[in-house]
Order: sequence, then structure tokens, then C-alpha cells
Amino acid sequence: DVKVTQSSRYLVKRTGEKVFLECVQDMDHENMFWYRQDPGLGLRLIYFSYDVKMKEKGDIPEGYSVSREKKERFSLILESASTNQTSMYLCASSLLPGQWGGWQYFGPGTRLTVT
Amino acid sequence: LAKTTQPISMDSYEGQEVNITCSHNNIATNDYITWYQQFPSQGPRFIIQGYKTKVTNEVASLFIPADRKSSTLSLPRVSLSDTAVYYCLVADGGNRDDKIIFGKGTRLHILP
Repeated sequence: DVKVTQSSRYLVKRTGEKVFLECVQDMDHENMFWYRQDPGLGLRLIYFSYDVKMKEKGDIPEGYSVSREKKERFSLILESASTNQTSMYLCASSLLPGQWGGWQYFGPGTRLTVT
Repeated sequence: LAKTTQPISMDSYEGQEVNITCSHNNIATNDYITWYQQFPSQGPRFIIQGYKTKVTNEVASLFIPADRKSSTLSLPRVSLSDTAVYYCLVADGGNRDDKIIFGKGTRLHILP
């Protein structure tokens, strides 16, 4: 079974803190994704990566950065957390070839609260 | 710009067959159609994927007409545990520049 794990299920941070969300997948997948999910807005893509050290902006990259130093690990960084970044963060991975945008495996999510 | 349109919510009863339709009028030649299920406080879970005609697995069936402008997820004999949000995703299997857009999903509520 493919496993995508996220470092924390729940996280509470203060405004202005630097926040790291870690994601690890164990299936040697090329592609990894970070989404945020908010009520009424569905899932929105923040960043994705199709290879080590490669990253592409999604729909809402502002206020976020990412790091992919190893194939299995994809980190989301909030440089200076703000209250409007309170959300559920979901990491996903997918296998190439032919499954780039489709068949994704999701982690359990991290519910981040910024106070 | 959303690539898909789904009903916001649906109710059904245990033991019934449920069909959820997704519209994707602007589907491109290389796009695949993928459905996910999400329970509260969990990440979405892949259900089924197809390109054309009919696909069936142990969980669901996916019907795609010849023009591919819509698709229907069919859940046979639902139970209370099928209460979840269902997302339809249309994306190019091999194009890294294709935008990955999840719609707002369909909230399915199964009644006893």
C-alpha cells in the first residue's frame, strides 16, 4: 500500500512564526503536491514538484515556499505565518508516467491554526 | 476557471444505487477523469479513473459517454459509510503544465 505521511495532524503556531510542514511518501513517486483545503473552497493547489529540487507554483503560492531535497520528501514552508493561513494542509504524491494530474495518493492532512 | 461542475449535495438511502454526474465540457483529448472520496478530517482517497466508455472496480463504476463532456460515478448499494464528499478531477496524464483543479465536490449523505 502506498503511504503518504505528514509530520503532524494538528499544529498551532503564532503569527509571524516560520512553519515547516513535512511530507514523506514511500512509493518512489516522481510527483508531489501541497494543497490547502478550506470550507466552501475545496482543495486548492499551492505548489507541486515533479523531481528532486524542482518546484512549480500552483494556484495560490503566495506566502508559501517549498523544498524537495530528496525524492521521498516534500516540505511546505510558511515563511511568516498569518491568520489567513489557518487551514487544512494536504500532501499528495502520484506516479509517472501517464498519471501526472490524475491518480494521486493523499496524506491524512495537517490542521494548522495560526493565532 | 473550474474544469468541472458537480452537484453540491445529494441525499440517498442505504441499499440504493447512487449516481453522481460531473460536467466537463472543455475536456481535452489527453485528459483523464478521476474520482476521489473524502471523509471528514482525512485526505481524499482515489476511487476510480477512466478515459472513455465504462470502467468498473470493486468499489464503483465510471460511465463516460462518447463525447466525454460528462461522466457519472455510480456507487452500487450504498451504506451509511459512503457518506462523504466526492470529487471529480479532469487532468492531463502527461502534461506538467496542465492545471490541476479540484472542484468543490459533491457532499453525499446516506440516510438509514
